[in-house]
Amino acid sequence: GIQVEQSPPDLILQEGANSTLRCNFSDSVNNLQWFHQNPWGQLINLFYIPSGTKQNGRLSATTVATERYSLLYISSSQTTDSGVYFCAVRDSNYQLIWGAGTKLIIKP
Amino acid sequence: DGGITQSPKYLFRKEGQNVTLSCEQNLNHDAMYWYRQDPGQGLRLIYYSQIVNDFQKGDIAEGYSVSREKKESFPLTVTSAQKNPTAFYLCASSIRLDTEAFFGQGTRLTVV
Repeated sequence: GIQVEQSPPDLILQEGANSTLRCNFSDSVNNLQWFHQNPWGQLINLFYIPSGTKQNGRLSATTVATERYSLLYISSSQTTDSGVYFCAVRDSNYQLIWGAGTKLIIKP
Repeated sequence: DGGITQSPKYLFRKEGQNVTLSCEQNLNHDAMYWYRQDPGQGLRLIYYSQIVNDFQKGDIAEGYSVSREKKESFPLTVTSAQKNPTAFYLCASSIRLDTEAFFGQGTRLTVV
């Protein structure tokens, strides 16, 4: 089945810094989502991005489906950005396949 | 407000007991899902349902059961056959299987 790898596994930054999170997938996918899991466990939808580039405030994402990767950019980090960022892709059976996540800590 | 509601938020169960987790959505979504998350790990699929009165096993269905009698509701029962039920359980829904998925706030189950 499809493998989803996220990097880096952990990231510690000072408030105000920028970051790039990467998601690689091993085969063609039907769509891709980025989520932020906050410290209370809630999964918040960030982007639904099978291809192309989207922006929402300080966050943006780019998926290059032909090269099998997606990038999540966070600019001017805030402490509330802390948490775990997950990438999930839909395989040929439309099941969501999850990466292991990137744990982001933003220090004040 | 439209969304996915899971209840309860926290649940404690004695060993040997069955327990049912509730998931309700008012988004008019056809597809619903149950995931399990263990500390520091990603999500694993327990069951999913494409449509009312139909559901399919996911990767870790053993020890769990579901029903889908109404479009809005997809309850999950954790049975006594589940050896390690302590975990965070997340319910999700989407318009169809191939569209964007949205999640509830989760239920933390602890076996005492």
